[in-house]
Amino acid sequence: DADVTQTPRNRITKTGKRIMLECSQTKGHDRMYWYRQDPGLGLRLIYYSFDVKDINKGEISDGYSVSRQAQAKFSLSLESAIPNQTALYFCATSSLGQGRDGYTFGSGTRLTVV
Amino acid sequence: TQLLEQSPQFLSIQEGENLTVYCNSSSVFSSLQWYRQEPGEGPVLLVTVVTGGEVKKLKRLTFQFGDARKDSSLHITAAQPGDTGLYLCAGAEGGYQKVTFGTGTKLQVIP
Repeated sequence: DADVTQTPRNRITKTGKRIMLECSQTKGHDRMYWYRQDPGLGLRLIYYSFDVKDINKGEISDGYSVSRQAQAKFSLSLESAIPNQTALYFCATSSLGQGRDGYTFGSGTRLTVV
Repeated sequence: TQLLEQSPQFLSIQEGENLTVYCNSSSVFSSLQWYRQEPGEGPVLLVTVVTGGEVKKLKRLTFQFGDARKDSSLHITAAQPGDTGLYLCAGAEGGYQKVTFGTGTKLQVIP
């Protein structure tokens, strides 16, 4: 099994629908992140969590919400999807302070909002 | 928001050629990481550099951190088709509390 598992891998949804992307990890890391990737814009941070009781907004949190259900689970919700939220979404984990181990990323969810 | 600019954005070369990818910022970073991302997958860490002027080698890949810790380069010698992918740099500030990703360089190595 992968260290960081994201579901679903691909999703097409309609404008206005609520959608949840899920992430689970077996790394035992405290820190979890949601990133969005768009061509030419790199990876942009949506939300991050340093432990189960800690949730922080990233640079592009508008239109998104998250839930840290357990140390190993971190989900991302789009309350009312819009077409410009079409993107590749990545969940990532890191150890305390990240250190030299960097992030461990999941394989991504390709979301299309029509 | 700190910006990390990577150049070039796209690079298509023949197998066996050498290439260099650059990552530049106006900010000082406590460390800088390089990742490679293949289609349909998440980025995978290649290396972390932490000291100004540091050079690290990973087989045919050579990574350098600028003396002022504001920039970095990745040099690939004798590129192989397996090197094809998106290369991302990421700078960490404040004791790794904040990480900014670069815009990416998409490399294609043609057999």
